[in-house]
Amino acid sequence: DGGITQSPKYLFRKEGQNVTLSCEQNLNHDAMYWYRQDPGQGLRLIYYSQIVNDFQKGDIAEGYSVSREKKESFPLTVTSAQKNPTAFYLCASTGTGFTDTQYFGPGTRLTVL
Amino acid sequence: AQSVAQPEDQVNVAEGNPLTVKCTYSVSGNPYLFWYVQYPNRGLQFLLKYITGDNLVKGSYGFEAEFNKSQTSFHLKKPSALVSDSALYFCAVRDSITGGGNKLTFGTGTQLKVEL
Repeated sequence: DGGITQSPKYLFRKEGQNVTLSCEQNLNHDAMYWYRQDPGQGLRLIYYSQIVNDFQKGDIAEGYSVSREKKESFPLTVTSAQKNPTAFYLCASTGTGFTDTQYFGPGTRLTVL
Repeated sequence: AQSVAQPEDQVNVAEGNPLTVKCTYSVSGNPYLFWYVQYPNRGLQFLLKYITGDNLVKGSYGFEAEFNKSQTSFHLKKPSALVSDSALYFCAVRDSITGGGNKLTFGTGTQLKVEL
C-alpha cells in the first residue's frame, strides 16, 4: 500500500518546547515538502528537499528545521522560536519531473497550550 | 514568478445542479495546473491536472476542468453536484521555467457547499 504517512495526527505542545513531526513516504519520490495551513490562507511552503542530505527554505522557514537523511523520511521540527505554531501541517512528495503530481499525507494538527 | 487566484471564498450550489469553482493563474512560461480537494482535518487529494493538449481535462469523482490560455483560467466543473462534494477546493500552478524544486503555488481555497 503506497502512500505518505504523518504522525502523530494530533500534537499538543507547551510554549518553549520543540516538537518533531514525522513524515514517511514509500512512493520512491525524490522530492518532499512541508506546508503549513491556516484558515483562509491556503498552503504556505515551509521547507522542501529534492534529494537526500539537501533541503531549501520555503516562504516561511523561520522557527522551523528539517533533515533529510533518508529518501523516505523528511521530519519537521517546530522550534520554540516559532511564535505562532498552532496550525495544520501537511507533508507532500513528488517525482522530479515538471509534470509530476504532488501527493499529500493526512496532516498533523499542532496546538500550543 | 507564479501565482494563482481563487476569487470566491465560498460557492453554494443545489444538489443536482452544475457547479463551477474558479481559478486564474499567472506564470512566466507554460502553466502546469492542478486541482485538489480537502475534507475536514484531512490531507489534500489530487483531482486532476493540465499539462498540455486537450483544454478539457477529466479527473476523479466526475470532475473536469477547462483550461483557457487567453483568459489564464482553469475552472473546475461538475455537471451535477452531490452533497458529498462539499469540501475545500484548491487550485495550484507550477511554471515551466521556474527555478528548482518543482514547487507548487496554491490558491487560498474555495469552500464548496452543496445543499439538498
